[in-house]
Amino acid sequence: KAGVTQTPRYLIKTRGQQVTLSCSPISGHRSVSWYQQTPGQGLQFLFEYFSETQRNKGNFPGRFSGRQFSNSRSEMNVSTLELGDSALYLCASSLATSNTEAFFGQGTRLTVV
Amino acid sequence: QKEVEQDPGPLSVPEGAIVSLNCTYSNSAFQYFMWYRQYSRKGPELLMYTYSSGNKEDGRFTAQVDKSSKYISLFIRDSQPSDSATYLCAMIYRGGADGLTFGKGTHLIIQP
Repeated sequence: KAGVTQTPRYLIKTRGQQVTLSCSPISGHRSVSWYQQTPGQGLQFLFEYFSETQRNKGNFPGRFSGRQFSNSRSEMNVSTLELGDSALYLCASSLATSNTEAFFGQGTRLTVV
Repeated sequence: QKEVEQDPGPLSVPEGAIVSLNCTYSNSAFQYFMWYRQYSRKGPELLMYTYSSGNKEDGRFTAQVDKSSKYISLFIRDSQPSDSATYLCAMIYRGGADGLTFGKGTHLIIQP
């Protein structure tokens, strides 16, 4: 059974640019959540999508957005990048929305210069 | 005060020792508790999850939840060098509106 796939694995962007990250969940999983991991703040919840609808959102500015497609694949977009957006962005998939068994991908390492 | 407190370590123990990892939390609404293991440059790997108070065992791993004390633990028996990683506790309340809330993680080193 294939796990959660995130692409790309690494990205380097310049301040002010925008970036799109992709996540393919485990087959049959309909919930996709996104997290930001930094050394200072640890893992923080960004948002969750279920059946193409944003269900929940963490405490991040509107520059962070996402969407989910009918095949449950999800994308996350960050506009007007800031140096502080440099982080490991992790996607987690689960069968339902409770996230009690959430399986993470390898993450996308974003560096903003 | 952070919602979830976890000692960052590093915690260094000899191979074969019993390891005890702990988290405390402040939000009594949390009902589901998880432990993740994260190797360097990898995503977190779900080890165990438990609901409410009690113990749960899976191989060399035992998860323990004490809701009255707002304290959770993960015990690793017969520790191996391959167990060296960062261990993250996570928790969520029913409905999960705010996603998983994580501790900062404990860096564990098993010395051969």
